[in-house]
Amino acid sequence: GEDVEQSLFLSVREGDSSVINCTYTDSSSTYLYWYKQEPGAGLQLLTYIFSNMDMKQDQRLTVLLNKKDKHLSLRIADTQTGDSAIYFCAESMDGNKLVFGAGTILRVKS
Amino acid sequence: EAGVVQSPRYKIIEKKQPVAFWCNPISGHNTLYWYLQNLGQGPELLIRYENEEAVDDSQLPKDRFSAERLKGVDSTLKIQPAELGDSAVYLCASSTHRGEAFFGQGTRLTVV
Repeated sequence: GEDVEQSLFLSVREGDSSVINCTYTDSSSTYLYWYKQEPGAGLQLLTYIFSNMDMKQDQRLTVLLNKKDKHLSLRIADTQTGDSAIYFCAESMDGNKLVFGAGTILRVKS
Repeated sequence: EAGVVQSPRYKIIEKKQPVAFWCNPISGHNTLYWYLQNLGQGPELLIRYENEEAVDDSQLPKDRFSAERLKGVDSTLKIQPAELGDSAVYLCASSTHRGEAFFGQGTRLTVV
């Protein structure tokens, strides 16, 4: 079955880089996503990557995909206090039904 | 452009009572999703609509949950009767095509 796992918590200092990791089990996953959720808010799509890509960069965000190991990571460069939130990894075979991990709480210390 | 709008934001009800949530998707988005998010977990899909048709409702507990999307725009999700374990955040999302779902702020339900 489908399963997505993430580490529970990450704490970094302001200005440092953050790396949030995710593993998934479904080898037929075609789309892999990163969402951000701030307190009391819905989920905000940060970026997504197709399974035929190894890397995608968008400003401060870099997504790396190791398809062989079914490992996805999100790197946030120059992390700011406003980046403090819960980050969800998700996968989908068809782009319709998303399977989410439990989320990683990112705490940025000033 | 307005995002996905959900109401109410918060709802407290007694167990065994009915409750309904409303969602207005982004204009032009033909795909609408309802997700359930329990505390400390990621969202789980309850139902997906393509226009008026529910194309994936395999995770919807049909004994007490129902949903509708009249005219392929707004949608309502209903629980009757509510149980204590239904306390969670109910998220609505919409998209125009595969891969880019936009979420509303959610309705936080507390059943007491």
